[in-house]
Formats: sequence, C-alpha cells, structure tokens
Amino acid sequence: GESVGLHLPTLSVQEGDNSIINCAYSNSASDYFIWYKQESGKGPQFIIDIRSNMDKRQGQRVTVLLNKTVKHLSLQIAATQPGDSAVYFCASHSNSGYALNFGKGTSLLVTP
Amino acid sequence: GAGVSQTPSNKVTEKGKYVELRCDPISGHTALYWYRQSLGQGPEFLIYFQGTGAADDSGLPNDRFFAVRPEGSVSTLKIQRTERGDSAVYLCASSLTLAGGRNEQFFGPGTRLTVL
Repeated sequence: GESVGLHLPTLSVQEGDNSIINCAYSNSASDYFIWYKQESGKGPQFIIDIRSNMDKRQGQRVTVLLNKTVKHLSLQIAATQPGDSAVYFCASHSNSGYALNFGKGTSLLVTP
Repeated sequence: GAGVSQTPSNKVTEKGKYVELRCDPISGHTALYWYRQSLGQGPEFLIYFQGTGAADDSGLPNDRFFAVRPEGSVSTLKIQRTERGDSAVYLCASSLTLAGGRNEQFFGPGTRLTVL
C-alpha cells in the first residue's frame, strides 16, 4: 500500500526566516499531492497542490517542489510568520482518486 | 459562505455506548468524506459519499462503524458499542465533483470523541 511520510516531526524557525518542510511518498503511481495546514482544534486547511506533471508550483509565500525521481516533495514558506505555526501534512490521492492519504505531519513553531 | 460544520464538537461517552456524529457539508458539494485522526497522526480515510450513496467504505475499521447520507447533504457517522480505541477526532470534508477526480476537499473542525 501507499505510505506518505515526513522526514522531521518538528521544526522551529525564527520569524522572518524561510521554512522548508519535507515529505517522502512511496507509491510511484501517485499523481496528485496536496499540502495541508492544521491549527490546534481545527480541521486541515488546503495550502497548495501539485500534479505529477509539474515539478514546482508557487502560491502566496509558499512553493511546493516535487521530485518524482526520488519520490520527494517539499513545502517552502517564505518569510515565516507566527501565524504559520501549525502542523503541516502532505497528502496524496489514493489509487481511487478521491480518498486522501496523509503523512504523519510536521509541527512548525515560529518564534519571534 | 459557511464552511463544513460538525456537531457535536466534543463527545464523551462510555465504553459500549452508541454515538452519532453529524456533518453538514458546504452547500452544493456532492462529495462527502469522513476521516479519523488519532493524536499525533494524520487523518485516515473512512468513507466517501457521492450523493446519497457510499461510493467507498473501505476505510471503515469494522462493522461497528456505519455512515449515512440519506438526502445527499447532511451525513451521520454512527458507531456502535464504542471502544476506548475509537477515541479520536472525526473529521468530515466535502468537495465538488468535477472531472478528473482531484477536487479540493474542505474540512470541518472535527468532533473529538472520547470513550471512557
């Protein structure tokens, strides 16, 4: 079966620095990946997605990079702010195409 | 507009009891999903509805778990004979159903279930 996992469980950065959160996936057939942000007591919130025919996609202050060769993706957050403190999950669609497979999550802590 | 809502936000029950968790999806979203999130873990898929029918219930852990969506909008997740291992946050999500199948899922805040 597919597994989606994260390299580091916690990441602490200073306000204003850039953050990089990494994720590895095992199913080479995965063709769609999403990053979610989850704040305490809330449901996951969509940040950015990328399809497997792309290797980079940019949003507002966020960039997702996809390396299909090593089955790795990363989320880069520019100029990290205290409001970015949360748990970040990468997810991919299952073979069915609708159910999401989530990794364990990385806790990002932004210190002033 | 309103997002996905879930009630109750917290539910404490005793082992062996029956519970119902409710999800109100975003108006117009035909697809509805239930996930379960244990402490320190990512959400795990339970069941997916397309309209009124359960298109995929392969994530339900056993026959104590059941979900319905009789009118294609509100959904109820039902758990019989609850066990302590059922304690988790139960998340509901909804999405449009567009061609390609890769549609953004909007999550509710979840129901935190504690089985004593």
